Amino acid sequence: AQSVTQLGSHVSVSEGALVLLRCNYSSSVPPYLFWYVQYPNQGLQLLLKYTTGATLVKGINGFEAEFKKSETSFHLTKPSAHMSDAAEYFCAVSRFSGGSYIPTFGRGTSLIVHP
Amino acid sequence: KAGVTQTPRYLIKTRGQQVTLSCSPISGHRSVSWYQQTPGQGLQFLFEYFSETQRNKGNFPGRFSGRQFSNSRSEMNVSTLELGDSALYLCASSLEGEGRTDTQYFGPGTRLTVL
Repeated sequence: AQSVTQLGSHVSVSEGALVLLRCNYSSSVPPYLFWYVQYPNQGLQLLLKYTTGATLVKGINGFEAEFKKSETSFHLTKPSAHMSDAAEYFCAVSRFSGGSYIPTFGRGTSLIVHP
Repeated sequence: KAGVTQTPRYLIKTRGQQVTLSCSPISGHRSVSWYQQTPGQGLQFLFEYFSETQRNKGNFPGRFSGRQFSNSRSEMNVSTLELGDSALYLCASSLEGEGRTDTQYFGPGTRLTVL
């Protein structure tokens, strides 16, 4: 069964500092991996996804993630945090079932950005 | 294109009642998925509909049901509400969702409170 673990329910950074949100996955088959962001009172928005090919994936808003099979990780990074990045971030792994891919989400990491 | 819309945005019910939530997907999208988000359990997959057929179902009791109409709009119903059903219910649509990792687009959710 596929699952994801997000290390740290809260991450606090200063504006301009590096953002690193950690995600480790468990999958018996080559995984499809996703990062989503959720702003207060809103639904989820896809930041980026890894399916096959290049292991460094670039997403929206300056975020990127690297798929490392040997470490079963898919950490999310951004070189310089902005105040507007404060939100909840979810890592997800997809499993194939019934003709479609169903995501399993991590518990989420709340990113706090200090001025 | 208009995004995914969900109605109502907020709902207050009492135990034992039933509730129906509505989701209008992005025009042209044929797959609609529903998720329950709670602080305790995180984001959990409820079910997915494609071309008016339930294609996948999560691990929820039979009190949770749904349907999809020919115009891809979807409704979910919860009968005999329990306090633990209080949650944010998210709907997501994707273009096809069949055998590929289509991007899911989420609505803002319906916040259900059960008293």
